[in-house]
Order: sequence, then C-alpha cells, then structure tokens
Amino acid sequence: DTGVSQNPRHKITKRGQNVTFRCDPISEHNRLYWYRQTLGQGPEFLTYFQNEAQLEKSRLLSDRFSAERPKGSFSTLEIQRTEQGDSAMYLCASSWVGGAKETQYFGPGTRLLVL
Amino acid sequence: RKEVEQDPGPFNVPEGATVAFNCTYSNSASQSFFWYRQDCRKEPKLLMSVYSSGNEDGRFTAQLNRASQYISLLIRDSKLSDSATYLCVVSHNNDMRFGAGTRLTVKP
Repeated sequence: DTGVSQNPRHKITKRGQNVTFRCDPISEHNRLYWYRQTLGQGPEFLTYFQNEAQLEKSRLLSDRFSAERPKGSFSTLEIQRTEQGDSAMYLCASSWVGGAKETQYFGPGTRLLVL
Repeated sequence: RKEVEQDPGPFNVPEGATVAFNCTYSNSASQSFFWYRQDCRKEPKLLMSVYSSGNEDGRFTAQLNRASQYISLLIRDSKLSDSATYLCVVSHNNDMRFGAGTRLTVKP
C-alpha cells in the first residue's frame, strides 16, 4: 500500500498523559498536513510542512501540541498533558505541490479518546 | 460566519434518485475547489475537483459560481454505495478549508 499511513489507529489515554502520533506520507509528496476532526464536523486544519519546514500553524494548535517532520519524510504530532477536549480523530494528509492543482490525500486517521 | 457552509442534511433518497448538494464559501480569493467523500469512521477521499466551467465525472457533476461564491454537486441515478458524507473543500494558497459535510443516505 503506497498511500498515507498513520499509527496508531486508535489511542485511549488518561487525562494528563502525553501521546504521540505518527504519519507516513506518500513517498514523493513534499507537503504534509495535520487535521483534527470531531463528530459532525469537517476536518480542521492544525499545521502543515513543506519538506521539513513547518510553514503554518493554526491557532487551534495550543502550546500543548507540537509537530515535527525532521527529515522531510514522516511526521509526528505530540499532545502533552492531554485534556478530554482533545478527543478527536487526528488526520494526516500529504500532497505534491508543483503541479497545476494541489490535491491532498488522507491517511486513515488516529482516533484519540482521553478519559 | 463559517468559511465554508453546507446543509448538513441528512438527505434520504431512494435508489435512482437525483440529489444536489450546495456549498457557499466566504473567501472570495479562494482559488481551488473540491468535493471529498467521507464514509463513516473513514478518512476523506477526493471525489472530484471543481473547475470554473463545471465538470462531470460519470454520474457526478460539479458546478462553481465564483460571483455567488457557491459550489454544487449533483449526483444522478443514486446508488446504495453513494451513501456517505460529502465534504465541500475550498482552498486559498494551498490552505484548505472544509465544510462540515452533507450526509446522504440512499435507500433501496
């Protein structure tokens, strides 16, 4: 499977714990995005990388959230001191920027439940 | 006002019906437009891009009206497998904004 992959697919944690999610984009894609989606809503943009550079962060991304893409390939999203309001699906998407129209392809997501 | 607004539905239609979804967006400088499909507890998947002149892909037709900042999706001859949530997506400088989605259920 050469699509976007995410691990873990599900995570249950207690409030106050730290969690880390991983995203492996499509190999030739240079952009990687993180989104959060809650029930009944569309995905909300969190941050994105072009290669290894983090170019934009949403104001939704509080200080407890940090994302990295150290070698311009896979990315990690860490949430520190989790809160119940962090419970959501965390989606990663990748794209190739350079053509006429950018299209993002999504991974299966990591579903987080904070108890 | 939300950046991308959609009627949440649900739309419940019989097989074979024609159904249309609408979407409005607030950023007049938006450059690219898409419809994504999302099945329950799955990731969004690109259904089709939306071009200024309108475009068709099989049973699906997308229209864009830049003056009214309005996008539509028409599905003809609905199939049971079309049941999903349809997300309207608007992009400005590669910054994509998603609507909350319109839920469609096609019934036998």
